[in-house]
Order: sequence, then structure tokens, then C-alpha cells
Amino acid sequence: EDQVTQSPEALRLQEGESSSLNCSYTVSGLRGLFWYRQDPGKGPEFLFTLYSAGEEKEKERLKATLTKKESFLHITAPKPEDSATYLCAVPHSSNTGKLIFGQGTTLQVKP
Amino acid sequence: DGGITQSPKYLFRKEGQNVTLSCEQNLNHDAMYWYRQDPGQGLRLIYYSQIVNDFQKGDIAEGYSVSREKKESFPLTVTSAQKNPTAFYLCASSGPDRLSYEQYFGPGTRLTVT
Repeated sequence: EDQVTQSPEALRLQEGESSSLNCSYTVSGLRGLFWYRQDPGKGPEFLFTLYSAGEEKEKERLKATLTKKESFLHITAPKPEDSATYLCAVPHSSNTGKLIFGQGTTLQVKP
Repeated sequence: DGGITQSPKYLFRKEGQNVTLSCEQNLNHDAMYWYRQDPGQGLRLIYYSQIVNDFQKGDIAEGYSVSREKKESFPLTVTSAQKNPTAFYLCASSGPDRLSYEQYFGPGTRLTVT
């Protein structure tokens, strides 16, 4: 069964304290792994797509990496404006375009 | 600017009334999706459509209906049969063809039914 699990559910950091969010996935035939950022009361905002193990993508303080079983979103020297819920998703193995989402990690960065 | 619009942002209805949520995209995407988001439950797929005049049920389609008469539009009707309709509803699209899996989301509609 296709499944995506994110950990931790919630993460509190001090400004400047680097950390990582985890996304573990089980899917037959990976067709990409997607990271989104969601602010309260808003729609998810697309961040990254990773397609193959070993691939890395960076955007400002965020770096996403991918292995054959999981993806990490590394946050370097976070700022309060990085506070949000981060979602990861993979396409369903049925190849219908459906995405399987994790539950998300809610990040709070304190000044 | 290309993007996805949802209207209204907030919607209030009395129990027993049907309500239609609007979703429009000008990205020229073939596929469109409707999700429901509840606290602590993540995103759950309601309906999706890969081409005009065709759509499929997602994981929680009961009590909902959709239509796809135009490529740009994918309205969702929440019927009185939906037992717990209060939620945050998100529309998404992907494209330009069905092999593009990246989904882009609208701003959402928060529906409150009392």
C-alpha cells in the first residue's frame, strides 16, 4: 500500500538552530517526491520536486534530499518567517495523477 | 498572472443546504483536483478530473459532486448528504499533460455549516 509518513509532527526551533524534517515513503515506482509549504489558512505552496535517489534541491535556507526510502528537508539557520507546516507527497502507484500526502510537520521558529 | 482562484474565501451555510465552491485555473492544466483538509488529518482527495467531461471519485467522495464542462473550471458541490461538511477545501491542478504530477494549489475556501 502506498504510504507517506512525516516526522516529527511538530518542531520548535530557536532562530538560527538548524534541523531536519523527515518524509518516509512506500510506493511502487517513484515518479517524484514533492515538498510544499503551507501557512495557516492558505493553500500549499510548491517548494521542490525530487526524482531520483541522491538528488538535492536548494532554495534559500531550505535543502531537500532524497534516498530510496525517504526524503529530508534540511533547514539551515531558520528565521521566524520559516514557521509553517511542511508537507511532502508522492504520486500514487496507480499512475492516475493522484498524490499521497503525509500528515505534515508544523515548524515554529522562535526569535 | 497564471494561477488558481477559489471563491469565496469564507462560506457559511445552514445545515441541509447544498453549496457550490468555485475553482478556476488559467495555467492550461489538464488535470484538476479537490481536497478536504481537517485539523490533524492532512489532505484527503475528494474528486479529480484528468480531462474535460471526465472525473473520478477520490477517497472521500460521498456527499460531494463535481462537473468538468470546461478545462479551466472544476466546481465542487457539497450536498446535504455530506455528514460533516465544515472544513477547509483546496483545489489543485497539474499539467500541462497527465504525465505532470506536480500539483499547484489555490488559496482555499473555508466552509462552515451550522
